[in-house]
Amino acid sequence: GENVEQHPSTLSVQEGDSAVIKCTYSDSASNYFPWYKQELGKGPQLIIDIRSNVGEKKDQRIAVTLNKTAKHFSLHITETQPEDSAVYFCAASKGTNAGKSTFGDGTTLTVKP
Amino acid sequence: GAGVSQSPSNKVTEKGKDVELRCDPISGHTALYWYRQSLGQGLEFLIYFQGNSAPDKSGLPSDRFSAERTGGSVSTLTIQRTQQEDSAVYLCASSLQGGTYEQYFGPGTRLTVT
Repeated sequence: GENVEQHPSTLSVQEGDSAVIKCTYSDSASNYFPWYKQELGKGPQLIIDIRSNVGEKKDQRIAVTLNKTAKHFSLHITETQPEDSAVYFCAASKGTNAGKSTFGDGTTLTVKP
Repeated sequence: GAGVSQSPSNKVTEKGKDVELRCDPISGHTALYWYRQSLGQGLEFLIYFQGNSAPDKSGLPSDRFSAERTGGSVSTLTIQRTQQEDSAVYLCASSLQGGTYEQYFGPGTRLTVT
């Protein structure tokens, strides 16, 4: 089955700096890669996603890149703000009805004011 | 519109008791997932329902855990003879379909087994 590894497990940056979180996946058939943000006491919420026919996607301060050959994808947050502090999860899945997504173990991001 | 709701939000139970956790998915979503999240840990997949297909139960940790989804909507996760190691937040998510569709998560049920 699919295996998703996420690094780093914790990340601390100064406000205004950039943050990068990386994930690798094992199943070359995976074609959908979402990123979720989980704030304390809440369920995860989708912040951005990318499909395998696209190499990069950007939404304001957040961007995701995908390298299908190397089977890795990354989340980039620029101009970080204290409210970006949360746990971030990457995931990989394939096909509309092909079953569950596989999640990474999460990265705890702390943005210091 | 209404999101995914879960009840109760908190549940404290004694070791050995049975508990039922409820999930109300977003209307029209055919896929429903249950996850377990221990303190400071990642999402542990438990079970996945997709339409009328047989559920994927591959993540259930023991036969004390079971789940049903009635009428393709509400789901109940049942834990029998609870153990202290069952203490965690149980998250439910639904999506329009499985696989490549965004999952919408509920707020979770915090289960504490004393």
